[in-house]
Amino acid sequence: GAVVSQHPSWVICKSGTSVKIECRSLDFQATTMFWYRQFPKQSLMLMATSNEGSKATYEQGVEKDKFLINHASLTLSTLTVTSAHPEDSSFYICSARGGGGTQAFFGQGTRLTVV
Amino acid sequence: GQQLNQSPQSMFIQEGEDVSMNCTSSSIFNTWLWYKQDPGEGPVLLIALYKAGELTSNGRLTAQFGITRKDSFLNISASIPSDVGIYFCAGQETGANNLFFGTGTRLTVIP
Repeated sequence: GAVVSQHPSWVICKSGTSVKIECRSLDFQATTMFWYRQFPKQSLMLMATSNEGSKATYEQGVEKDKFLINHASLTLSTLTVTSAHPEDSSFYICSARGGGGTQAFFGQGTRLTVV
Repeated sequence: GQQLNQSPQSMFIQEGEDVSMNCTSSSIFNTWLWYKQDPGEGPVLLIALYKAGELTSNGRLTAQFGITRKDSFLNISASIPSDVGIYFCAGQETGANNLFFGTGTRLTVIP
């Protein structure tokens, strides 16, 4: 299967700072990337969908000014959590899908802890 | 976003036993997927289903796409300790881009 790599795997940051998470498709071109958030013992909740070269589409209740998504190339999407607060602490997971593909492949996730 | 109802929420079974879990939705899906997630990792795809009534196997795993297109089932036969993890179903609506995930089934296998 295709490989999607997320970086970093975990990050601890101070409240009020910003954190950037990268999602890369290593062996295919990802026309669409998805960002999910998963709280402990809960399911994955879709935050936003991004297509290369265009603005991301955010799910209801997700603040687009707080969670900045950039999908500038076919192999890289970034999620920036701005002015992070402790309640933003969560497991963030990306997935990527190639053009014409029906399957999306997941990254290994990034655990964000805001202190 | 939409969420799928998955049951059971958790299971404790003896090694060697078979496992069944299911997922239901109020919407019709044209694709059903089953994933396994280990702690601190992203989900890994186990089985993908694309047609109503489809029955697909992957080793000891078998999944079925319900005839109504609103449900799906996953069976694991002869469970082993490495089957431990959280299993998620996911559905995709016709013409939609994204997946909706189930609530998850946490499986514990007792050696």
